[in-house]
Amino acid sequence: GENVEQHPSTLSVQEGDSAVIKCTYSDSASNYFPWYKQELGKGPQLIIDIRSNVGEKKDQRIAVTLNKTAKHFSLHITETQPEDSAVYFCAASIDLGGYNKLIFGAGTRLAVHP
Amino acid sequence: NAGVTQTPKFQVLKTGQSMTLQCAQDMNHEYMSWYRQDPGMGLRLIHYSVGAGITDQGEVPNGYNVSRSTTEDFPLRLLSAAPSQTSVYFCASSSHGQSTSLYGYTFGSGTRLTVV
Repeated sequence: GENVEQHPSTLSVQEGDSAVIKCTYSDSASNYFPWYKQELGKGPQLIIDIRSNVGEKKDQRIAVTLNKTAKHFSLHITETQPEDSAVYFCAASIDLGGYNKLIFGAGTRLAVHP
Repeated sequence: NAGVTQTPKFQVLKTGQSMTLQCAQDMNHEYMSWYRQDPGMGLRLIHYSVGAGITDQGEVPNGYNVSRSTTEDFPLRLLSAAPSQTSVYFCASSSHGQSTSLYGYTFGSGTRLTVV
């Protein structure tokens, strides 16, 4: 069945350092890979996404890379700030004819220390 | 501009009781889904719907029922609550489209359910 593995489960960095979170998916039909940030007591919010025909996408301090052959994708956060502290989830989707059924990783708790 | 609204925010149930978690969206999204979030297990899909009158099972459907009579509403029913259903429940919606950004899910703020 569909499965997404996410590592590490916790990540602690100093302010200004970079953070990398990695995910692996199982279904070769997956074609959309979003990343969500969840702050305490809130629902997840989309921060960046990538489709299978693109290898890398950047948005200011965050970037996502995709290796479709290896079924790996990663989130990179540069120049981390304390407000980046949150739980981050990766997901892989199956296209249901225009809609995406998302399967999520277990999450990474990122702590950025001043 | 409410987005996805979930009620209640908190609920305590006794084992065997039934209840309905409400979810409503005002963005005219066709796709809606329910997830449960447990420590160390991420978000697991319970049920989803691609439009009014159409529902399907996700990864962990047992013990839950859903229906989709309107585009706006997608309630989740627990017929006989069990302690294993203690969790945080999130409803999400998204629209149909070719643009990547339109595939993004909008999540509600969650319902924290405790079954004792």
